[in-house]
Amino acid sequence: DSGVTQTPKHLITATGQRVTLRCSPRSGDLSVYWYQQSLDQGLQFLIQYYNGEERAKGNILERFSAQQFPDLHSELNLSSLELGDSALYFCASSVASFGTDTQYFGPGTRLTVL
Amino acid sequence: AQSVAQPEDQVNVAEGNPLTVKCTYSVSGNPYLFWYVQYPNRGLQFLLKYITGDNLVKGSYGFEAEFNKSQTSFHLKKPSALVSDSALYFCAVRDIRDGNNRLAFGKGNQVVVIP
Repeated sequence: DSGVTQTPKHLITATGQRVTLRCSPRSGDLSVYWYQQSLDQGLQFLIQYYNGEERAKGNILERFSAQQFPDLHSELNLSSLELGDSALYFCASSVASFGTDTQYFGPGTRLTVL
Repeated sequence: AQSVAQPEDQVNVAEGNPLTVKCTYSVSGNPYLFWYVQYPNRGLQFLLKYITGDNLVKGSYGFEAEFNKSQTSFHLKKPSALVSDSALYFCAVRDIRDGNNRLAFGKGNQVVVIP
Protein backbone atom coordinates (compact mmCIF):
# COMPACT_ATOMS: atom_id res chain seq x y z
CA ASP A 1 0.00 0.00 0.00
CA SER A 2 1.57 3.27 -1.18
CA GLY A 3 -0.50 5.52 1.07
CA VAL A 4 -2.09 7.27 -1.91
CA THR A 5 -5.85 6.77 -2.08
CA GLN A 6 -8.13 7.24 -5.05
CA THR A 7 -11.90 7.15 -5.32
CA PRO A 8 -13.91 5.75 -6.90
CA LYS A 9 -12.23 2.53 -7.94
CA HIS A 10 -14.49 2.09 -10.95
CA LEU A 11 -16.65 4.53 -12.82
CA ILE A 12 -19.04 3.74 -15.66
CA THR A 13 -20.73 6.60 -17.43
CA ALA A 14 -22.12 7.68 -20.78
CA THR A 15 -20.70 9.87 -23.51
CA GLY A 16 -21.20 13.56 -22.93
CA GLN A 17 -21.25 13.23 -19.16
CA ARG A 18 -18.93 14.77 -16.57
CA VAL A 19 -17.12 12.92 -13.78
CA THR A 20 -14.82 13.80 -10.91
CA LEU A 21 -11.95 11.61 -9.76
CA ARG A 22 -10.53 12.17 -6.31
CA CYS A 23 -7.04 11.62 -4.92
CA SER A 24 -5.57 11.91 -1.44
CA PRO A 25 -1.76 12.04 -1.37
CA ARG A 26 0.50 10.37 1.15
CA SER A 27 0.74 12.16 4.44
CA GLY A 28 3.29 14.97 4.12
CA ASP A 29 3.46 14.95 0.33
CA LEU A 30 2.91 18.32 -1.32
CA SER A 31 2.96 17.32 -4.99
CA VAL A 32 0.17 15.49 -6.79
CA TYR A 33 0.39 14.15 -10.33
CA TRP A 34 -2.26 12.73 -12.64
CA TYR A 35 -1.51 10.11 -15.29
CA GLN A 36 -3.69 8.35 -17.82
CA GLN A 37 -3.05 4.73 -18.83
CA SER A 38 -4.67 3.43 -22.00
CA LEU A 39 -3.87 0.57 -24.33
CA ASP A 40 -3.03 2.77 -27.30
CA GLN A 41 -1.26 5.67 -25.54
CA GLY A 42 0.40 3.86 -22.66
CA LEU A 43 1.09 5.85 -19.48
CA GLN A 44 0.88 9.58 -20.10
CA PHE A 45 1.43 12.47 -17.75
CA LEU A 46 -1.55 14.81 -17.52
CA ILE A 47 -0.90 17.48 -14.89
CA GLN A 48 0.99 18.27 -11.67
CA TYR A 49 0.08 20.38 -8.67
CA TYR A 50 2.39 21.47 -5.90
CA ASN A 51 0.97 22.85 -2.68
CA GLY A 52 -2.18 24.03 -4.39
CA GLU A 53 -0.65 25.51 -7.50
CA GLU A 54 -0.43 24.07 -10.98
CA ARG A 55 3.18 23.23 -11.79
CA ALA A 56 3.26 21.36 -15.06
CA LYS A 57 0.91 20.36 -17.81
CA GLY A 58 1.24 17.40 -20.12
CA ASN A 59 -1.09 15.89 -22.67
CA ILE A 60 -4.22 17.03 -20.92
CA LEU A 61 -7.28 17.79 -23.03
CA GLU A 62 -9.10 21.09 -22.65
CA ARG A 63 -12.17 19.11 -21.53
CA PHE A 64 -10.16 17.97 -18.51
CA SER A 65 -9.26 20.10 -15.53
CA ALA A 66 -7.82 19.56 -12.09
CA GLN A 67 -7.24 21.31 -8.82
CA GLN A 68 -5.52 20.77 -5.51
CA PHE A 69 -7.27 21.88 -2.38
CA PRO A 70 -5.84 23.41 0.83
CA ASP A 71 -5.89 19.99 2.51
CA LEU A 72 -3.75 18.83 -0.47
CA HIS A 73 -6.24 16.37 -1.92
CA SER A 74 -6.76 16.71 -5.63
CA GLU A 75 -9.62 16.25 -8.05
CA LEU A 76 -9.51 15.56 -11.77
CA ASN A 77 -12.61 16.67 -13.64
CA LEU A 78 -13.40 15.11 -17.00
CA SER A 79 -16.24 16.62 -19.02
CA SER A 80 -17.99 16.01 -22.35
CA LEU A 81 -16.73 12.49 -22.11
CA GLU A 82 -15.97 10.50 -25.25
CA LEU A 83 -15.47 6.78 -25.77
CA GLY A 84 -11.75 7.37 -26.13
CA ASP A 85 -11.53 8.73 -22.60
CA SER A 86 -12.01 5.23 -21.24
CA ALA A 87 -8.79 4.49 -19.39
CA LEU A 88 -7.17 3.93 -16.04
CA TYR A 89 -6.42 7.22 -14.30
CA PHE A 90 -3.65 7.25 -11.73
CA CYS A 91 -2.78 9.77 -9.13
CA ALA A 92 0.73 9.91 -7.69
CA SER A 93 2.29 12.00 -4.96
CA SER A 94 5.77 13.03 -3.90
CA VAL A 95 7.25 15.00 -1.05
CA ALA A 96 8.17 18.02 -3.15
CA SER A 97 8.86 18.71 -6.78
CA PHE A 98 12.48 17.77 -7.23
CA GLY A 99 13.66 15.38 -9.89
CA THR A 100 15.08 13.07 -7.25
CA ASP A 101 11.71 12.65 -5.55
CA THR A 102 10.00 9.30 -5.86
CA GLN A 103 6.41 9.39 -7.04
CA TYR A 104 4.13 6.95 -5.25
CA PHE A 105 1.06 5.83 -7.13
CA GLY A 106 -2.48 5.18 -6.03
CA PRO A 107 -4.51 2.14 -7.13
CA GLY A 108 -6.17 4.07 -9.94
CA THR A 109 -9.69 4.79 -11.11
CA ARG A 110 -10.93 2.76 -14.05
CA LEU A 111 -13.19 4.90 -16.19
CA THR A 112 -15.48 3.28 -18.73
CA VAL A 113 -17.39 5.54 -21.10
CA LEU A 114 -20.28 3.83 -22.89
CA ALA B 1 12.60 15.48 -24.67
CA GLN B 2 13.60 12.81 -22.23
CA SER B 3 12.45 9.31 -23.14
CA VAL B 4 12.96 5.64 -22.40
CA ALA B 5 12.54 2.61 -24.60
CA GLN B 6 11.67 -0.90 -23.57
CA PRO B 7 12.46 -2.96 -26.65
CA GLU B 8 10.73 -6.20 -25.70
CA ASP B 9 6.99 -6.70 -25.34
CA GLN B 10 7.15 -9.82 -23.22
CA VAL B 11 9.85 -11.59 -21.27
CA ASN B 12 9.39 -15.25 -20.45
CA VAL B 13 11.61 -16.84 -17.85
CA ALA B 14 11.56 -20.09 -15.90
CA GLU B 15 11.15 -19.87 -12.15
CA GLY B 16 14.54 -19.79 -10.47
CA ASN B 17 16.32 -18.40 -13.52
CA PRO B 18 17.77 -14.89 -13.74
CA LEU B 19 15.36 -12.22 -14.92
CA THR B 20 16.38 -9.20 -17.00
CA VAL B 21 14.07 -6.47 -18.26
CA LYS B 22 15.73 -4.05 -20.65
CA CYS B 23 15.49 -0.28 -20.77
CA THR B 24 17.44 2.31 -22.73
CA TYR B 25 17.18 6.03 -22.24
CA SER B 26 17.62 9.25 -24.16
CA VAL B 27 18.14 12.39 -22.09
CA SER B 28 19.81 15.75 -22.15
CA GLY B 29 21.67 16.27 -18.92
CA ASN B 30 21.82 13.86 -16.01
CA PRO B 31 19.32 11.01 -16.14
CA TYR B 32 17.02 10.29 -13.24
CA LEU B 33 15.69 6.79 -13.91
CA PHE B 34 13.01 4.72 -12.22
CA TRP B 35 11.50 1.25 -12.35
CA TYR B 36 7.92 0.49 -11.39
CA VAL B 37 5.91 -2.73 -11.38
CA GLN B 38 2.17 -3.09 -12.00
CA TYR B 39 0.30 -6.18 -10.89
CA PRO B 40 -3.11 -6.96 -12.44
CA ASN B 41 -5.78 -4.47 -11.35
CA ARG B 42 -3.30 -2.64 -9.14
CA GLY B 43 -1.45 0.64 -9.20
CA LEU B 44 2.22 1.09 -9.97
CA GLN B 45 4.61 0.10 -7.23
CA PHE B 46 8.01 1.77 -6.98
CA LEU B 47 10.94 -0.65 -7.21
CA LEU B 48 14.08 1.48 -7.40
CA LYS B 49 15.68 4.60 -8.85
CA TYR B 50 19.01 5.88 -10.09
CA ILE B 51 19.93 9.45 -9.33
CA THR B 52 23.70 9.45 -9.05
CA GLY B 53 26.52 7.42 -7.56
CA ASP B 54 26.88 3.64 -7.65
CA ASN B 55 25.89 2.16 -11.00
CA LEU B 56 24.26 -0.83 -9.32
CA VAL B 57 21.06 0.16 -7.59
CA LYS B 58 19.31 -2.21 -5.19
CA GLY B 59 15.56 -2.04 -4.76
CA SER B 60 12.52 -3.78 -3.38
CA TYR B 61 11.66 -7.50 -3.61
CA GLY B 62 15.22 -8.53 -4.53
CA PHE B 63 15.36 -6.43 -7.69
CA GLU B 64 18.37 -4.43 -8.77
CA ALA B 65 19.23 -2.34 -11.80
CA GLU B 66 22.47 -1.53 -13.53
CA PHE B 67 23.04 1.96 -14.90
CA ASN B 68 25.35 2.00 -17.91
CA LYS B 69 26.17 5.45 -19.20
CA SER B 70 28.09 4.35 -22.29
CA GLN B 71 25.24 2.12 -23.44
CA THR B 72 22.54 4.51 -22.14
CA SER B 73 20.85 1.57 -20.46
CA PHE B 74 19.17 0.88 -17.14
CA HIS B 75 18.28 -2.80 -17.15
CA LEU B 76 16.30 -4.32 -14.29
CA LYS B 77 17.54 -7.63 -12.92
CA LYS B 78 16.67 -10.28 -10.42
CA PRO B 79 19.00 -13.24 -9.78
CA SER B 80 16.24 -15.81 -9.28
CA ALA B 81 12.72 -15.17 -10.60
CA LEU B 82 9.58 -16.15 -8.71
CA VAL B 83 6.16 -16.92 -10.17
CA SER B 84 4.88 -13.97 -8.14
CA ASP B 85 7.17 -11.67 -10.18
CA SER B 86 4.84 -12.09 -13.15
CA ALA B 87 3.62 -8.55 -13.82
CA LEU B 88 4.01 -5.50 -16.05
CA TYR B 89 7.25 -3.59 -15.57
CA PHE B 90 7.75 0.05 -16.49
CA CYS B 91 10.93 2.01 -16.89
CA ALA B 92 10.62 5.78 -16.50
CA VAL B 93 12.77 8.88 -16.72
CA ARG B 94 12.32 12.25 -15.18
CA ASP B 95 11.31 14.66 -17.91
CA ILE B 96 12.86 17.99 -17.06
CA ARG B 97 10.64 20.18 -19.20
CA ASP B 98 9.64 23.24 -17.21
CA GLY B 99 12.07 22.09 -14.54
CA ASN B 100 9.36 19.99 -12.99
CA ASN B 101 9.03 16.43 -11.95
CA ARG B 102 6.90 14.64 -14.54
CA LEU B 103 7.79 11.06 -15.46
CA ALA B 104 8.00 9.78 -19.02
CA PHE B 105 7.29 6.06 -19.13
CA GLY B 106 8.26 3.32 -21.51
CA LYS B 107 5.57 1.11 -23.02
CA GLY B 108 6.06 -1.56 -20.38
CA ASN B 109 7.25 -5.15 -20.44
CA GLN B 110 5.04 -8.07 -19.53
CA VAL B 111 7.07 -10.57 -17.51
CA VAL B 112 5.84 -14.14 -17.35
CA VAL B 113 7.59 -16.46 -14.92
CA ILE B 114 6.91 -20.06 -15.79
CA PRO B 115 6.69 -22.55 -12.89
